[in-house]
Amino acid sequence: SQKIEQNSEALNIQEGKTATLTCNYTNYSPAYLQWYRQDPGRGPVFLLLIRENEKEKRKERLKVTFDTTLKQSLFHITASQPADSATYLCALTNTGFQKLVFGTGTRLLVSP
Amino acid sequence: DVKVTQSSRYLVKRTGEKVFLECVQDMDHENMFWYRQDPGLGLRLIYFSYDVKMKEKGDIPEGYSVSREKKERFSLILESASTNQTSMYLCASSETGSEPQHFGDGTRLSIL
Repeated sequence: SQKIEQNSEALNIQEGKTATLTCNYTNYSPAYLQWYRQDPGRGPVFLLLIRENEKEKRKERLKVTFDTTLKQSLFHITASQPADSATYLCALTNTGFQKLVFGTGTRLLVSP
Repeated sequence: DVKVTQSSRYLVKRTGEKVFLECVQDMDHENMFWYRQDPGLGLRLIYFSYDVKMKEKGDIPEGYSVSREKKERFSLILESASTNQTSMYLCASSETGSEPQHFGDGTRLSIL
């Protein structure tokens, strides 16, 4: 069966450290993989998109990697800040499809 | 900036009622989506539309219908509300099916 897995346990880190979140998928052939941030009581906000032929994408303190052999994406936040505390969702689109499929998200808590 | 507006942040209805959730986007996007989000289950796609008057079933369409009479507006209808439809409902839009989605802030619907 098709699955997108993100760590359901919250990730707790100290301010200034690098946070690394994992997204694993099974039985998908994603053309694109996206990461979103969601704050409590709000809708998800798009952060980064990476295509199947890209290994890495960066935007300011954010970095995403995409390994289609391992069927995994890693999402890094460097020099993390308490304001980075939120739930982070990965989502992917199968080749030829029109819709996104979302993981359940990982909650990140950054302590001062 | 893209703005997706959902008509209500909170809504309380009774079982058996017909419920309308409205969503409007201001960026002339072709695609619009309705999701529900439940703890531990993540975002699940109910219906989506890639053009006016066009609609496609998502993963959990049972008990719901949609209407898209104008490009900017996408309505979700609960034909006869039941308690298991108590959830957070999120609307989103995108230029194409695989491009980043822009979300509204959701409607927290309670069916009593």
